[in-house]
Amino acid sequence: AQTVTQSQPEMSVQEAETVTLSCTYDTSESNYYLFWYKQPPSRQMILVIRQEAYKQQNATENRFSVNFQKAAKSFSLKISDSQLGDTAMYFCAFMKERENAGNMLTFGGGTRLMVKP
Amino acid sequence: EAQVTQNPRYLITVTGKKLTVTCSQNMNHEYMSWYRQDPGLGLRQIYYSMNVEVTDKGDVPEGYKVSRKEKRNFPLILESPSPNQTSLYFCASSSQTGNQPQHFGDGTRLSIL
Repeated sequence: AQTVTQSQPEMSVQEAETVTLSCTYDTSESNYYLFWYKQPPSRQMILVIRQEAYKQQNATENRFSVNFQKAAKSFSLKISDSQLGDTAMYFCAFMKERENAGNMLTFGGGTRLMVKP
Repeated sequence: EAQVTQNPRYLITVTGKKLTVTCSQNMNHEYMSWYRQDPGLGLRQIYYSMNVEVTDKGDVPEGYKVSRKEKRNFPLILESPSPNQTSLYFCASSSQTGNQPQHFGDGTRLSIL
């Protein structure tokens, strides 16, 4: 079974600064996907960024980028130029790549990020 | 607009009174699932369905039932709710092809007294 650990329950950052959220995972799979989801106070689950394990290049989406270290089983999220709208709970999630296995996501416990003006 | 719709968004009820949370998606997705979200635990999968009439247990299925009679609908049934099922519930769907990310509904806050 997979496990995902987010070791920072809460973090804060000043507006316009950069912040990094940590995520580690444990798996015996060689092919898999990793995700970061954002959950603002509205409770919606919004996909922020996705990384395929077979790709060495780190994924980026505008101000969001990841540092994917496969050997270390680490998948951190960097938010640059933080904005007030980035205030949310952030979840790291793991998904196996296996045909007909279903698309089950295994989530970490979440990191609550507060962006301060 | 592509969406996953859950109802109700909020429900307060009492122990033992059967309830159903509905979930519907308009994207013709094969895969649907239910999660519950609890503080410090993230989201945990309750049940999933890979297509019509095909359902299977996730990590925390005890006390829940599901059905998948139509592709678009995947209701979650609590036959005899208990206080430990007080939680925030999410329905999600995705295409089976290409390991696509899941689309989530807006959540249902259940309180069992």
